[in-house]
Amino acid sequence: RKEVEQDPGPFNVPEGATVAFNCTYSNSASQSFFWYRQDCRKEPKLLMSVYSSGNEDGRFTAQLNRASQYISLLIRDSKLSDSATYLCVVSSNDYKLSFGAGTTVTVRA
Amino acid sequence: DGGITQSPKYLFRKEGQNVTLSCEQNLNHDAMYWYRQDPGQGLRLIYYSQIVNDFQKGDIAEGYSVSREKKESFPLTVTSAQKNPTAFYLCASTGTYGNTIYFGEGSWLTVV
Repeated sequence: RKEVEQDPGPFNVPEGATVAFNCTYSNSASQSFFWYRQDCRKEPKLLMSVYSSGNEDGRFTAQLNRASQYISLLIRDSKLSDSATYLCVVSSNDYKLSFGAGTTVTVRA
Repeated sequence: DGGITQSPKYLFRKEGQNVTLSCEQNLNHDAMYWYRQDPGQGLRLIYYSQIVNDFQKGDIAEGYSVSREKKESFPLTVTSAQKNPTAFYLCASTGTYGNTIYFGEGSWLTVV
């Protein structure tokens, strides 16, 4: 079983729509969680950290469910510029980082 | 400005040759990482280092080697033993546990 699993998508949504997807992790000792955004042929860039209480940054909302071992990302009012691959990253206390394979989102006009 | 610098951005290798990718950071980060990404795939961990003079194999270390002689530098050598090295290589670093991960801009390696 992979340490971090994501629905690969693609999620093809119209502008203005809401899109949400999850990431599951297998290591119950995982401590830190992040969502990164990666554009084609570029390095990943931090979208947001995920906190236990859930957190929001503009149109983006991240949630953590430790009991079921998953994190989620919700994008409201999708923009064309939101088209990208979203990577889930999980960190344990030995500095090892585990990446999901990414969820591809395409926002169409 | 602090950050991670990878070089070269594009590299062509002949079969049978070793090549070294450079990764330098001025963020004073302890931990550094090398990942490989194939088209349409996620990031796979090659090697990582938590402190100077120490490093651990990741999930796909065969055919690669690293060194960590200085805190700022974590070069990756792709050896001739790596049978399918054409990929996008990403270097990353993180400071205190749980902090944001910083990435270099990546290096594209192509075997010709």
